[in-house]
Amino acid sequence: QVQLVESGGGVVQPGRSLRLSCAASGFTFTRYAMHWVRQAPGKGLDWVAIIWHDGSQKLYGGSMKGRFTISRDDSANMLYLQMNSLRVEDTAVYYCSRETGGNAFDVWGQGTVVTVAS
Amino acid sequence: QAGLTQPPSVSKGLNQTATLTCTGNSNNVANEGASWLQQHQGHPPKLLSYRTNDRPSGISERFSASRSGNTASLTITGLQAEDEADYYCSAWDSSLNSWVFGGGSKLTVL
Repeated sequence: QVQLVESGGGVVQPGRSLRLSCAASGFTFTRYAMHWVRQAPGKGLDWVAIIWHDGSQKLYGGSMKGRFTISRDDSANMLYLQMNSLRVEDTAVYYCSRETGGNAFDVWGQGTVVTVAS
Repeated sequence: QAGLTQPPSVSKGLNQTATLTCTGNSNNVANEGASWLQQHQGHPPKLLSYRTNDRPSGISERFSASRSGNTASLTITGLQAEDEADYYCSAWDSSLNSWVFGGGSKLTVL
């Protein structure tokens, strides 16, 4: 079945880095653009980044620009999010999600928790 | 950054009809359409509709979406207890070059 599984979350101090991973299975990974979306505790959804199906384009949400980098390894069906200069306000559940092709998010992982605290 | 506007909460009775709204602008909802997601506490979101009114396979016909100008709407008929959840709208914003979400509406089924 179609599945996304995130990993790599944890507790990190402000200013440090963390790399999240998302393993995709059950579909042809190379046909789809992929997103990262986050959700702070008790808050709504916040779009983080997208990478095109062929990796040719990457876009980032406002506060993530210059600090976060999205990438993919199509040979391993993996999506990544490199997060640098982490801030307390980056604390959230981070989800990877598949792009439908209609500007929507049709498959979601269970999420991985990132806590930024000193 | 600017997002979409949703009422924080909506309450309706069992078997009634609820309509949730999502207001944007000409750079997002009006020109690009909106999608709707349902999220139960402790679970990831689930796509209910996209391209304004397309439903993914497996989504009940009780969920229907529409759009009028800058406002997108999700109508849920025959409300059931399991419909109690948070509902989010999202859209591509061509001015911001990013996806934007609404703040979410918490639907309570009385």
